[in-house]
Amino acid sequence: RKEVEQDPGPFNVPEGATVAFNCTYSNSASQSFFWYRQDCRKEPKLLMSVYSSGNEDGRFTAQLNRASQYISLLIRDSKLSDSATYLCVVTGGSQGNLIFGKGTKLSVKP
Amino acid sequence: DTEVTQTPKHLVMGMTNKKSLKCEQHMGHRAMYWYKQKAKKPPELMFVYSYEKLSINESVPSRFSPECPNSSLLNLHLHALQPEDSALYLCASSQEPRDSSYEQYFGPGTRLTVT
Repeated sequence: RKEVEQDPGPFNVPEGATVAFNCTYSNSASQSFFWYRQDCRKEPKLLMSVYSSGNEDGRFTAQLNRASQYISLLIRDSKLSDSATYLCVVTGGSQGNLIFGKGTKLSVKP
Repeated sequence: DTEVTQTPKHLVMGMTNKKSLKCEQHMGHRAMYWYKQKAKKPPELMFVYSYEKLSINESVPSRFSPECPNSSLLNLHLHALQPEDSALYLCASSQEPRDSSYEQYFGPGTRLTVT
């Protein structure tokens, strides 16, 4: 089983749509969880951390289910500028190194 | 300010060249990282520096040699690279290496082409 699994997509959605991404991780000892977005030929940028209680930042909502080892990201009212690859990331060893999923590509169309 | 800077942005080098990539952060972070990213793949961890000491080397070939001159700077020295080493090299930093809850912030990367 891969350490972090995501649906690679692409997800092609119209502007204004709501879209959800899911991610599963294999290491039950992972402590921290993040969503990063990466635009083509750019660096990953932190979108949000994911907490057990769930957290929201504007149009973005992230949730964590530790029992199922499952993380989700919901984007409401999609904008053209949301088009990117969304990377699900969990921490691995004691040094806090990150383990990346392969990413889910989102394309928002006019 | 969550800025990590990297130079150069682009680098083309021959297999016999020696070059260095540079990374700098002024956020007071005590952990710094080198990642390698190939097209359409996620970043792969290469090295971790914790309090200016190398703490993780992910079995990276010796033609890549990291250096951390001080808490703000991280270098990656390159020598005798192969064409398959062509990739985007990303530097990242985080606040406290022993507490994995801290987010990592990435620099813009150096796009390396080995000819």
